[in-house]
Amino acid sequence: DGGITQSPKYLFRKEGQNVTLSCEQNLNHDAMYWYRQDPGQGLRLIYYSQIVNDFQKGDIAEGYSVSREKKESFPLTVTSAQKNPTAFYLCASSVWREKLFFGSGTQLSVL
Amino acid sequence: SQQGEEDPQALSIQEGENATMNCSYKTSINNLQWYRQNSGRGLVHLILIRSNEREKHSGRLRVTLDTSKKSSSLLITASRAADTASYFCATDADDYKLSFGAGTTVTVRA
Repeated sequence: DGGITQSPKYLFRKEGQNVTLSCEQNLNHDAMYWYRQDPGQGLRLIYYSQIVNDFQKGDIAEGYSVSREKKESFPLTVTSAQKNPTAFYLCASSVWREKLFFGSGTQLSVL
Repeated sequence: SQQGEEDPQALSIQEGENATMNCSYKTSINNLQWYRQNSGRGLVHLILIRSNEREKHSGRLRVTLDTSKKSSSLLITASRAADTASYFCATDADDYKLSFGAGTTVTVRA
């Protein structure tokens, strides 16, 4: 089945630790996105990638990093510089400027 | 920054009633999209309406767009318990970033 797979579903980070969230898609989409959602709020864009080997900062990129070495994969690293990382992280893909297909999300919490 | 703002923040209706929610935005757009999110899950795309379109339908959903007022509405007709969810509008503006509002939480009572 085509779709987007995010893993893990739950992740715990210790202080000072970097953690990486996985996002894989088999929809053959060029564009991929990472959003952060805090309780009761909308989605805020962290990073997006229009094409392989290229990505752009979104509205809240500080403390995060990404790579786009393969069309299918767009991993997000939450670095120790992100002081308030607890949130629900959503990955999505699309044909550029068309509807987004979302993964099921990763809940990140701080120990 | 969040481009779209939904109104109301929350809506409670009886099964079988219609639900209407609105989205206002600030700058010119390429398209506007509506999504649904069930608690703790990813978002599901509902409808995309382009800036040169005024109305679109999909099953029990009807979306309108008024670019002169920079607003859109989503109507769900004959609501069901399964429609209980949060609904978000998202705007695709000239900066190519799809910006989401804070959402409307809809509760459908049996």
